[in-house]
Amino acid sequence: EAQVTQNPRYLITVTGKKLTVTCSQNMNHEYMSWYRQDPGLGLRQIYYSMNVEVTDKGDVPEGYKVSRKEKRNFPLILESPSPNQTSLYFCASSSLTGSVRSNQPQHFGDGTRLSIL
Amino acid sequence: AQSVTQLDSHVSVSEGTPVLLRCNYSSSYSPSLFWYVQHPNKGLQLLLKYTSAATLVKGINGFEAEFKKSETSFHLTKPSAHMSDAAEYFCVLGGGSNFGNEKLTFGTGTRLTIIP
Repeated sequence: EAQVTQNPRYLITVTGKKLTVTCSQNMNHEYMSWYRQDPGLGLRQIYYSMNVEVTDKGDVPEGYKVSRKEKRNFPLILESPSPNQTSLYFCASSSLTGSVRSNQPQHFGDGTRLSIL
Repeated sequence: AQSVTQLDSHVSVSEGTPVLLRCNYSSSYSPSLFWYVQHPNKGLQLLLKYTSAATLVKGINGFEAEFKKSETSFHLTKPSAHMSDAAEYFCVLGGGSNFGNEKLTFGTGTRLTIIP
């Protein structure tokens, strides 16, 4: 089954304690992205990756890091989490092949709810 | 700059009545537009997409949307609401033919409630 898998689904932690949220997709997609969802703000992009070893900032990258060492994995790293990073996080992937790549819809994971105390 | 405005944060309809979720966009190029649905504790699922082939787009679960360039709108409709339609809906603006998914812009969402 084609899917995007995020772990953990829920995490409560404390300020300053480094954490990593993993994301894996089994569709051989080139493009992967991280979003955060906050009430009234919709989804905002944190980082994205067009392929292995190619990453770029989205709209709200401050306080986050990513890496793309393998095509299927795109972990999100919070080196020193703070309470304002409490949010619902989504990983997504899509294919960049095809004549009009913007036609390719993104496939989303089920989300990771982070609470930073 | 491109933007998406979902005109209603909450919509309530009775089961069996029509659904209308409104979306306006602003874009300097010919856009791609998507509607996604999010059920509780789930990720976003694609309902339908507009990519300039046809202005009336049919999606899953009986939903459809009409692209109106003159009104810069992409409203989502369904003739008859079902209890399972209760969810949050997002209108999403893509990058158009010259850009890829890295240029997605999300609306703030519309929560749809179905009254039994």
